[in-house]
Parts: sequence; C-alpha cells; structure tokens
Amino acid sequence: EPEVTQTPSHQVTQMGQEVILRCVPISNHLYFYWYRQILGQKVEFLVSFYNNEISEKSEIFDDQFSVERPDGSNFTLKIRSTKLEDSAMYFCASMGSKNEQYFGPGTRLTVT
Amino acid sequence: QKEVEQNSGPLSVPEGAIASLNCTYSDRGSQSFFWYRQYSGKSPELIMSIYSNGDKEDGRFTAQLNKASQYVSLLIRDSQPSDSATYLCAVRANDYKLSFGAGTTVTVRA
Repeated sequence: EPEVTQTPSHQVTQMGQEVILRCVPISNHLYFYWYRQILGQKVEFLVSFYNNEISEKSEIFDDQFSVERPDGSNFTLKIRSTKLEDSAMYFCASMGSKNEQYFGPGTRLTVT
Repeated sequence: QKEVEQNSGPLSVPEGAIASLNCTYSDRGSQSFFWYRQYSGKSPELIMSIYSNGDKEDGRFTAQLNKASQYVSLLIRDSQPSDSATYLCAVRANDYKLSFGAGTTVTVRA
C-alpha cells in the first residue's frame, strides 16, 4: 500500500541554524501539506501546496518557513533560522482524489 | 476561528466493551469529518471519514455525523487492548486544511 515517507526521523539542530525536512508524498496525490505537533498539544496546520504553489498557510508559517517541490517526488519544508519554539514533530501529508489526507511518520525536530 | 472540541479523557473501557468518543465543531461550513488514531510518538492514522449526516460503519468502527448539531462521534465496538491510543477528530471546511481537536485518549483494560 502506498505511503508517505519522511526523512530524517529525528533532527537535532542548534538555534539559528537552517533545517530542511523532506517528504515523499503518495505518488498520484496532488495536494501536499505540512502540519506540526508540539509535545502534548494539538496537530496544527502549517501550509498546503497544490499545483506547485502554496494554496494556504497559517499564521505560524511566517517568513522563516518555506516549502518547495524540487522534483516530481520530493516535498520539502525549510526553516531558515530555527528557534527553540520550533521544536516539534513535523508531519507531511498528502491527499488524492478521495479527499482523505494520509500522514507520514513525522520528523522530530529538536532545537537546542 | 475554527474550533474542534473533544473530551480529553482519558476514557477507560474494559476489553470487549464499546468506546464512545465525541467531537463538536464551530464552523457550520465544515464539509468533511475524519477520525484519526495516534499511538504515542507516532503519526495520525486515518481510520474513518464521513461526509453526510447519519452513520457510517467500517468493521468495529462507526462514525456518526449530525451537521445540525455540529457533532460527530466515533464508536469502537468490541474494544481491544490494541485500540488503546489517542483518537483525533479532524474537520475540513471549504478549504482543504484539517482542523484538529486535542484528542481523546482511550485505554482498553484487559
């Protein structure tokens, strides 16, 4: 069964450093998302991406964040200058014709 | 502000019993409703989707939707220890992003 994959599973970085989180969505899906979940809190929407552009973004998704689909398979989230409060699980999700979103296993980002 | 509210639990049920989970949402324009299961330290796993008023059954799971009351529920029949997890209610309006509730933690006692 097709699934969303994410790398790395765990990323430790120092405050102020740039990180890139990578995702491979399900191959025939056209909508892609990033969500995050701070430990003990709700899953929060960050950004949606369709037709090679951002279709919607939340207040969290400020100028420090960017997304890209550099080729036909990968979907990346970049955080330019990480802050302590960026520490969270970051989930990539993709959606196909059934309007159901499937989540990847997540990347645990720890900012020290 | 789109709010999705769930009883945080924990909900403790004996093995074989029915677990009943509730969710309310504030945005009357919401179109699609989902239940995800999340094991500790893992990602949300889609278990049910429902779009129309009424009941939808899938194996031991039944989702119920009442748009007039802005209420969606999930019943887990014949609960098993492997059902012990946090269940997330997610709602989508006319856009495509999901708004999640905080989740209800279910513990099934053997």
